[in-house]
Amino acid sequence: DAKTTQPNSMESNEEEPVHLPCNHSTISGTDYIHWYRQLPSQGPEYVIHGLTSNVNNRMASLAIAEDRKSSTLILHRATLRDAAVYYCILLGSQGNLIFGKGTKLSVKP
Amino acid sequence: DTAVSQTPKYLVTQMGNDKSIKCEQNLGHDTMYWYKQDSKKFLKIMFSYNNKELIINETVPNRFSPKSPDKAHLNLHINSLELGDSAVYFCASSHWGTRTNYGYTFGSGTRLTVV
Repeated sequence: DAKTTQPNSMESNEEEPVHLPCNHSTISGTDYIHWYRQLPSQGPEYVIHGLTSNVNNRMASLAIAEDRKSSTLILHRATLRDAAVYYCILLGSQGNLIFGKGTKLSVKP
Repeated sequence: DTAVSQTPKYLVTQMGNDKSIKCEQNLGHDTMYWYKQDSKKFLKIMFSYNNKELIINETVPNRFSPKSPDKAHLNLHINSLELGDSAVYFCASSHWGTRTNYGYTFGSGTRLTVV
């Protein structure tokens, strides 16, 4: 499974945008880039995914570099409820969801 | 309706006991999984079942035995519990063929404490 690299932790202020980076230099052409998050005392939750193009949904946006070796999860206005561990995961057609250490996002009021 | 439900939510038991955790999904998915999250919060896949057949069995002690009576259920039975088995266990489900596009859905976890 191709690996991803994320910062261990990030801080944000409430109602400000948050950009969570992820490097995946060994990504293969068929790997999808998935983001999950885990709120305290809860199971992981799907956030967004993409292959080549940028993606938007009600939770977040995903910006994918042209060479696909990095991506950025964008929370447009962070709320206190967005404080969680965010995982960037590469998922291929034959693989499974393999979690790394993720980025712990803290949101300050 | 809860999409992926696990029971019990909490389980405290003594070393050496045998216990089971149950998981049910009502999403119509064909693949179910067990993940373990240890005290360092690292999530690791343990098992994966597709259409009731085991397709992944990571390096897990054979004291752990998953059982899938049908596509909607995947139970985890643990024999001779040890202190190191204390963790949060998460069940998840997906469509195998389209999981890259639709992702996995996780349950809320079962916190197992072995004393």
